[in-house]
Amino acid sequence: KQEVTQIPAALSVPEGENLVLNCSFTDSAIYNLQWFRQDPGKGLTSLLLIQSSQREQTSGRLNASLDKSSGRSTLYIAASQPGDSATYLCAVSKTGNKLVFGAGTILRVKS
Amino acid sequence: SAVISQKPSRDICQRGTSLTIQCQVDSQVTMMFWYRQQPGQSLTLIATANQGSEATYESGFVIDKFPISRPNLTFSTLTVSNMSPEDSSIYLCSFDRANTGELFFGEGSRLTVL
Repeated sequence: KQEVTQIPAALSVPEGENLVLNCSFTDSAIYNLQWFRQDPGKGLTSLLLIQSSQREQTSGRLNASLDKSSGRSTLYIAASQPGDSATYLCAVSKTGNKLVFGAGTILRVKS
Repeated sequence: SAVISQKPSRDICQRGTSLTIQCQVDSQVTMMFWYRQQPGQSLTLIATANQGSEATYESGFVIDKFPISRPNLTFSTLTVSNMSPEDSSIYLCSFDRANTGELFFGEGSRLTVL
């Protein structure tokens, strides 16, 4: 059974810092990995999708990497801003649609 | 990009009652998914809803408790039946855009059962 772990569980940083969120998964036979953002009481916003054949994806200040063989992904956020404060969720899929989620990293960026 | 909307956005319900959540997508999608997010926890898949066939439920979820309808390619409903306080959660629908594997989510429906 696939298990997804996210470290750290919570993170508080001053504005402007670069930061790294970690995600690991137990079964490396994945189809893709997706990073989401969730604001309090809201739904999920898709940030980045990495197919199993890819090593990384970039969108603006966000960069996500994937090391499928070791079962790891990182989300790098450059020059963090208070508006980045949210819960970040990592999810993997074996079949291309059903997702197994990690518990998330709660990020707070202080101004 | 397709827009997905859910209603109600939130509701407070009495124990023993049932509530139906609606999910509307503004373009046709093959599969829709229903997830539950219990307080302080991450998301768990309840079931996959395909148009024209019965929903496929994940382990721990049954049709009698969570009946799902999928009458067409843009709409689905999830009913939470005979609710108890343990059903207090955010329920989210999602879809796979153009079979890319990238899932998009609605804003969620926050249910509180008293």
